[in-house]
Amino acid sequence: QSALTQPASVSGSPGQSITISCTGTSSDVGGYNYVSWYQQHPGKAPKLMIYEVSNRLSGVSNRFSGSKSGNTASLTISGLQAEDEADYYCSSYTSSSTVVFGGGTKLTVL
Amino acid sequence: EVQLVESGGGLVQPGGSLRLSCAASGFTFSSYEMNWVRQAPGKGLEWLSYISSSGGTIYYADSVKGRFTISRDNAKNSLYLQVNSLRAEDTAVYYCARLSLTMVQSSDYWGQGTLVTVSS
Repeated sequence: QSALTQPASVSGSPGQSITISCTGTSSDVGGYNYVSWYQQHPGKAPKLMIYEVSNRLSGVSNRFSGSKSGNTASLTISGLQAEDEADYYCSSYTSSSTVVFGGGTKLTVL
Repeated sequence: EVQLVESGGGLVQPGGSLRLSCAASGFTFSSYEMNWVRQAPGKGLEWLSYISSSGGTIYYADSVKGRFTISRDNAKNSLYLQVNSLRAEDTAVYYCARLSLTMVQSSDYWGQGTLVTVSS
């Protein structure tokens, strides 16, 4: 199972919006609405932010939103804040009943 | 408060074995499916294995199939990962993660991780 494809890095200034893509196949992202997004700060465990493509975990800012089109899922963060600087990972359920993660995207807030 | 605490990591020689443990508290462990996920130094997350709430259904990533064994003891509120035939590329922080009951295929709680270093 190959990792989902994410950009290695994205950046934006405070207040701007950024979008992180997560591309898979019809056997994972495209085949199921079971895409999750995790935020990870350095030295910390991952934190679930978005589940089932577009649902925000309770307590997660509405500046975070998820979507999917075909085999590509996306995480959009609007109104960037300094504390959003972190690594972001997508994950998807697969047709093999396994889970596959994206390679991760480092978000830099300029 | 939900807590997952991993232990059992350490320095091991290539070819060696370790048994990683994950102690769960603050929730009804026997009701939840669980995952093991690892992260090599400076690298991304890699899903390793899944176990159902009863332990009756198990899945592995191809990269560890035949070398790693997931198990659980619901009476002890504990999850395990037996890791055998270790290689340098298995060096990573190993996390246990709880699968949400309501958010399909999402891990809503993670432990702090235990570091496994494979080196001679």
